[in-house]
Amino acid sequence: EAGVAQSPRYKIIEKRQSVAFWCNPISGHATLYWYQQILGQGPKLLIQFQNNGVVDDSQLPKDRFSAERLKGVDSTLKIQPAKLEDSAVYLCASSLTGARYEQYFGPGTRLTVT
Amino acid sequence: GENVEQHPSTLSVQEGDSAVIKCTYSDSASNYFPWYKQELGKRPQLIIDIRSNVGEKKDQRIAVTLNKTAKHFSLHITETQPEDSAVYFCAAPQRSNDYKLSFGAGTTVTVRA
Repeated sequence: EAGVAQSPRYKIIEKRQSVAFWCNPISGHATLYWYQQILGQGPKLLIQFQNNGVVDDSQLPKDRFSAERLKGVDSTLKIQPAKLEDSAVYLCASSLTGARYEQYFGPGTRLTVT
Repeated sequence: GENVEQHPSTLSVQEGDSAVIKCTYSDSASNYFPWYKQELGKRPQLIIDIRSNVGEKKDQRIAVTLNKTAKHFSLHITETQPEDSAVYFCAAPQRSNDYKLSFGAGTTVTVRA
């Protein structure tokens, strides 16, 4: 079974620039999550989709972060404009609706904002 | 929301010894407790989980125990090997959204040869 795919794997940008990350979940997984993992910390949920609808975005900094999941499959997460404190690994995960606790993570995108 | 505390933050053990990591949670309604292993530069991977209707679960050299009364759960790794070196995260779901996992801060385990 193919895993969760993410791209790019690494990205370096200057502050105030914009950046976008892409995620392709495991086939058939209706629930998709975006996490932010700052160095030395556990993952923090930014947004959760069920199919193409947002279930929880309470911890998403909506003034600069946005995400969408068109057609209920792939998802993109965008940051505009980026700040230094956005430097982190952005992890995408997915799960089956019936097994929502078993989340499978992608390899992540390491973002460095200079 | 759920608050998950994890201890210790770092753990160094001699190969062959046991390692124990403990997490406490705040929401007594939480009913699922996974453990993830993250090797350097790689994705977190689910290694074992436990549901609130059991007190212990084992899978080869790893086990998880749950004390619902005290609201804590622990990961036990026996006969540690160099490949067990990684960061381990515990997690618990939030009452308001049980798809939403709150993660501990992680424990860096180093197995010395």
